[in-house]
Amino acid sequence: AQSVTQPDIHITVSEGASLELRCNYSYGATPYLFWYVQSPGQGLQLLLKYFSGDTLVQGIKGFEAEFKRSQSSFNLRKPSVHWSDAAEYFCAGAQYGNKLVFGAGTILRVKS
Amino acid sequence: DGGITQSPKYLFRKEGQNVTLSCEQNLNHDAMYWYRQDPGQGLRLIYYSQIVNDFQKGDIAEGYSVSREKKESFPLTVTSAQKNPTAFYLCASSIEADSGADTEAFFGQGTRLTVV
Repeated sequence: AQSVTQPDIHITVSEGASLELRCNYSYGATPYLFWYVQSPGQGLQLLLKYFSGDTLVQGIKGFEAEFKRSQSSFNLRKPSVHWSDAAEYFCAGAQYGNKLVFGAGTILRVKS
Repeated sequence: DGGITQSPKYLFRKEGQNVTLSCEQNLNHDAMYWYRQDPGQGLRLIYYSQIVNDFQKGDIAEGYSVSREKKESFPLTVTSAQKNPTAFYLCASSIEADSGADTEAFFGQGTRLTVV
């Protein structure tokens, strides 16, 4: 079955520190992959997406993600976290378009 | 501005009552979706529609119903048959579903439904 796994439910980082959020996928073929961010009580905003080509994808708000086929991973990174990055982050995958399958989410806390 | 509008933002329902959540988009998207979000479970697909007058069940359709009479609108009815309806509901749209195209889903701001 198609699935997306985010192993970390919560992550806490200090402001200014680097961040990596993990995402693993299980699909028969390489899916389309997305990272979304959600502030409390709000909808989801797309940070970045991977369809094909360059395996390092740049997104908004200084985020990037690297697709690694050998590890079935699509981890999200940011070199220096800001307090405003505190939110919940969702990894999602889809094949043949937009029936997205979401991971359970990772809640990011930023401490000053 | 183009986007997706969900209303109301907060909704309270008595047990045994049906309630309808509104979702409107002016992005001229063909595909629309309803997701349910519960803490620690990510987003689960309830229903989706790829074109007007057509829709398909998602992973957790039991106790829900939808209609797609207009391209812009995809209302979700939570019926009394839904055993645990208290949740955050998100509507989304995309250019097409199953297109294989370089596209993405756009989300509304959500409706929080509470059964009292």
